[in-house]
Amino acid sequence: DIVMTQTPLSLSVTPGQPASISCKSSQSLLHSDGKTYLYWYLQKPGQPPQLLIYEVSNRFSGVPDRFSGSGSGTDFTLKISRVEAEDVGVYYCMQSIQLPWTFGQGTKVEIK
Amino acid sequence: QVQLQESGPGLVKPSQTLSLTCTVSGGSISSGDYYWSWIRQPPGKGLEWIGYIYYSGSTYYNPSLKSRVTISVDTSKNQFSLKLSSVTAADTAVYYCASATVTTCLDIWGQGTMVTVSS
Repeated sequence: DIVMTQTPLSLSVTPGQPASISCKSSQSLLHSDGKTYLYWYLQKPGQPPQLLIYEVSNRFSGVPDRFSGSGSGTDFTLKISRVEAEDVGVYYCMQSIQLPWTFGQGTKVEIK
Repeated sequence: QVQLQESGPGLVKPSQTLSLTCTVSGGSISSGDYYWSWIRQPPGKGLEWIGYIYYSGSTYYNPSLKSRVTISVDTSKNQFSLKLSSVTAADTAVYYCASATVTTCLDIWGQGTMVTVSS
């Protein structure tokens, strides 16, 4: 299985300040079709996860543009340009290049 | 807009079979665009992908659970189901159903249903 490792595991951010989460995979997520199958999810308290970013850097429908994803191969980053109170929760990266699909451990973001 | 809703018993006895159903609304489960998935989350822990079924009936299960998992689809009811046999306390979790596409992967999730394994 591909192991997804996130850092940090927790993050406390002042509203309006940026935040960054790293995700590293144990194998390259670049497919022969040229696409990279790396996703970011946010699980707000008491809710199911919601898709934020697909294929490394594409924001899903309705996702604010303060969220951005970058990276390639095995190293990826989710950035929030200006954290808002509604951004609290646990962020997960996930890969789907190889079955079984696997998630990172999660990064808990809280507001200072 | 596709919506998903899980249903099933909230309490299952050890060694018995956990059975859950996911009802799809706002779209057809027979659409070739989607892989219908199950994911679970033990209390206070992370996410574990269980497996998926394609509308044609083809399946893939996480090897960690493969010997105990069956996912099936009922196109007449627009539902897909999860069965997990020989459950133990370690199977206590919130179980989510979700739709996945090749591009956006797990893009739509149900609200989840808590299943507790206890005598």
